[in-house]
Amino acid sequence: DVKVTQSSRYLVKRTGEKVFLECVQDMDHENMFWYRQDPGLGLRLIYFSYDVKMKEKGDIPEGYSVSREKKERFSLILESASTNQTSMYLCASSQQGEQFFGPGTRLTVL
Amino acid sequence: AQSVAQPEDQVNVAEGNPLTVKCTYSVSGNPYLFWYVQYPNRGLQFLLKYITGDNLVKGSYGFEAEFNKSQTSFHLKKPSALVSDSALYFCAVRRGTSGTYKYIFGTGTRLKVLA
Repeated sequence: DVKVTQSSRYLVKRTGEKVFLECVQDMDHENMFWYRQDPGLGLRLIYFSYDVKMKEKGDIPEGYSVSREKKERFSLILESASTNQTSMYLCASSQQGEQFFGPGTRLTVL
Repeated sequence: AQSVAQPEDQVNVAEGNPLTVKCTYSVSGNPYLFWYVQYPNRGLQFLLKYITGDNLVKGSYGFEAEFNKSQTSFHLKKPSALVSDSALYFCAVRRGTSGTYKYIFGTGTRLKVLA
């Protein structure tokens, strides 16, 4: 079975802190994605990557950056966390077909 | 603009009754369509997909979905609902060219199956 893991299930940070969210997949997938999930808004794509060191902006990239130095690892970075970035963050990977999701990180920014 | 709509925020159904969760899409070309389910405090799990072929697609946990090109719909169905089916359901469509594709998700429909 494909496994996608995320570094933390719950995270509490203060405004202005730099935040790293890490995602690892074990199926050699080319494509990886970061979403945030908010009630009533569904999943919104932040960034995605289709190869090592390659990245593309999604629909809501402002305030975020990403890093993909190895194929299996895709990191989301909040350079200076703000309260409006409090959300559930979901990582996913895919190989053209369906996506496989991690369990999510619930981030609270105080 | 390419989009996915789930017109119902919540669907209530009695256990044992058939259920339908609606999804319509707007996308150029032939759509790749997906359904996912999310249980509380969990990531999304893949249920089924339509890429080509039969309009009726069967998936996990007894779910199926019907692709209707003329109505641009991809409704999720199950003949007999279980209380354990209560969860949040998302419809999604893939967009983009090969290698740089991404997905659009609907806003989700909460299914509540009543005992």
